[in-house]
Amino acid sequence: NAGVTQTPKFQVLKTGQSMTLQCAQDMNHNSMYWYRQDPGMGLRLIYYSASEGTTDKGEVPNGYNVSRLNKREFSLRLESAAPSQTSVYFCASSGGTTNTGELFFGEGSRLTVL
Amino acid sequence: EDQVTQSPEALRLQEGESSSLNCSYTVSGLRGLFWYRQDPGKGPEFLFTLYSAGEEKEKERLKATLTKKESFLHITAPKPEDSATYLCAVGAHTGGFKTIFGAGTRLFVKA
Repeated sequence: NAGVTQTPKFQVLKTGQSMTLQCAQDMNHNSMYWYRQDPGMGLRLIYYSASEGTTDKGEVPNGYNVSRLNKREFSLRLESAAPSQTSVYFCASSGGTTNTGELFFGEGSRLTVL
Repeated sequence: EDQVTQSPEALRLQEGESSSLNCSYTVSGLRGLFWYRQDPGKGPEFLFTLYSAGEEKEKERLKATLTKKESFLHITAPKPEDSATYLCAVGAHTGGFKTIFGAGTRLFVKA
């Protein structure tokens, strides 16, 4: 049982480059989320999708876009990367149609923007 | 403003030395208090959900408790394998559901 799978695990970008982080879950969950985690700070929600076909902004959406491709997949795109986007990104999913907090996380994608 | 504060930032224990981690919160429309464990280089792993003051949950050497303003994660006779970062989060219903995380407590247990 793979759970939540993220790719890539590591990425180095130059300022201004674009990239997409991929996430897939095999638990038939309705809701999916993208968080970033920075030292000394809690996980901060970037975007979430309560159900297939819907997406909403979280706490720190600027500089990011998302696509809920189908029930299994939720991608995060950085159109023009900035050094402030250097972080560890986590995808998560949950079973309900609302953000209830019992989240299942992937192993993270470590992004460095030079 | 909805907020979650965890203390201490880091805690060093000897194997067998029991202690507690604190999570204080300010939130309107609480929809659950959650504890997660995070190992280095890994994603957080769900441990407990608490919904009402006075509720307690246990799992092996861990026991989580909840009051109206804070939660404690008690660790009894810890082992080195309990070393990890423990994250507290609250589910809030303010203009839609959301989950707010604290910054975590890094626990080190020495043999």
